[in-house]
Amino acid sequence: DIQMTQSPSFLSASVGDRVTINCKASQNINKYLDWYQQKLGEAPKLLIYNTNSLHTGIPSRFSGSGSGTDFTLTISSLQPEDVATYFCLQHNSGLTFGSGTKLEIK
Amino acid sequence: EVQLVESGGGLVQPGRSLKLSCAASGFTFSNYYMAWVRQAPKKGLEWVATISTSGSRTYYPDSVKGRFTISRDNAKSSLYLQMNSLKSEDTATYYCARQGGAPDYWGQGVMVTVSS
Repeated sequence: DIQMTQSPSFLSASVGDRVTINCKASQNINKYLDWYQQKLGEAPKLLIYNTNSLHTGIPSRFSGSGSGTDFTLTISSLQPEDVATYFCLQHNSGLTFGSGTKLEIK
Repeated sequence: EVQLVESGGGLVQPGRSLKLSCAASGFTFSNYYMAWVRQAPKKGLEWVATISTSGSRTYYPDSVKGRFTISRDNAKSSLYLQMNSLKSEDTATYYCARQGGAPDYWGQGVMVTVSS
């Protein structure tokens, strides 16, 4: 089974900051890495699919990069509405989620 | 607009069964794989099951294999999850999701509590 290691588990940043969240797969997952945002009490929302493709309606301040086993979600300029927990997901073989990164505004 | 609405959750005793449903609208249901994903209280997300477009292929993680069964009715645009031999660790919010590669649209979730 593929394991996903996500870091950091908690992140505090200021409005306007550039923020990065990382995920590492236990084996090569090609490009099949996705990123989700989950706000309190809500269902997860897809942000980025297949490493770097922006889902419909997602602001361009969100971007993804990486390949193989190492992947990054970047928020170029943090906004107050970005407070949420972020999860990575590999869909190369079954589905495996990362453990999540809780993002707060400093 | 894609909509997924789960139902059928509730309180159930350990060892009993429960069947969840998910009503889909706003897209051609028969063209998409579908999945169930759960989230235990204050925990992360865990994949539960995936089903192919026709329903002929199903996929499960070891944690639920043999206890849970995913199915679909394309004529009714509906997805189901039959959960048997429920355990306390199955307590979670269960989400149905459209799986076009990545799960791209999710329902609001339905709570299942397994407790005596």
